[in-house]
Amino acid sequence: EAGVAQSPRYKIIEKRQSVAFWCNPISGHATLYWYQQILGQGPKLLIQFQNNGVVDDSQLPKDRFSAERLKGVDSTLKIQPAKLEDSAVYLCASSPLSDTQYFGPGTRLTVL
Amino acid sequence: QKEVEQDPGPLSVPEGAIVSLNCTYSNSAFQYFMWYRQYSRKGPELLMYTYSSGNKEDGRFTAQVDKSSKYISLFIRDSQPSDSATYLCAMTLSGGYNKLIFGAGTRLAVHP
Repeated sequence: EAGVAQSPRYKIIEKRQSVAFWCNPISGHATLYWYQQILGQGPKLLIQFQNNGVVDDSQLPKDRFSAERLKGVDSTLKIQPAKLEDSAVYLCASSPLSDTQYFGPGTRLTVL
Repeated sequence: QKEVEQDPGPLSVPEGAIVSLNCTYSNSAFQYFMWYRQYSRKGPELLMYTYSSGNKEDGRFTAQVDKSSKYISLFIRDSQPSDSATYLCAMTLSGGYNKLIFGAGTRLAVHP
């Protein structure tokens, strides 16, 4: 079974630029999550989708972050404009109708 | 106060040692408890998943939950260099689609 795919793996941008990350979950997984993991911290949930509807986006900085999940499969997370404090690893995870979340390798973002 | 507290380490042990990793939490409503292992530049992978207080064993790994003390532990017996990673505890309020709350992670190094 293929795992969660994410791209790009690494991205370096200047502050105030825009960036987008892509996630392809495990086939058949209804729930998709985006987490932000700052160096030395545990992952923090940004947004959770159930199929293509948002379940929880309470910790998403909506003035600069947006996410969508078209057709209940792939998802994109966008930051516009980026700030220095957005430097982190952005993890995508998916799960079937259970609690077990399967994580992708993450996208490491550096904002200069 | 953070909802989940975890000593970041690093913890360095010789091969074959018994390792004890711990987390405390403040929210007595947490019901499901997990341990994830995260290798460098990889996404977290689920190691152990427990619901009730008590012990759960899986090979060299034992997860322990004490809900009365709001304290969870992961024990690794006969530690191997391949166990060198960051160990993240995580917990959630209930089953279904509730978000995971992670600890900061403990870095473990097992040296030959």
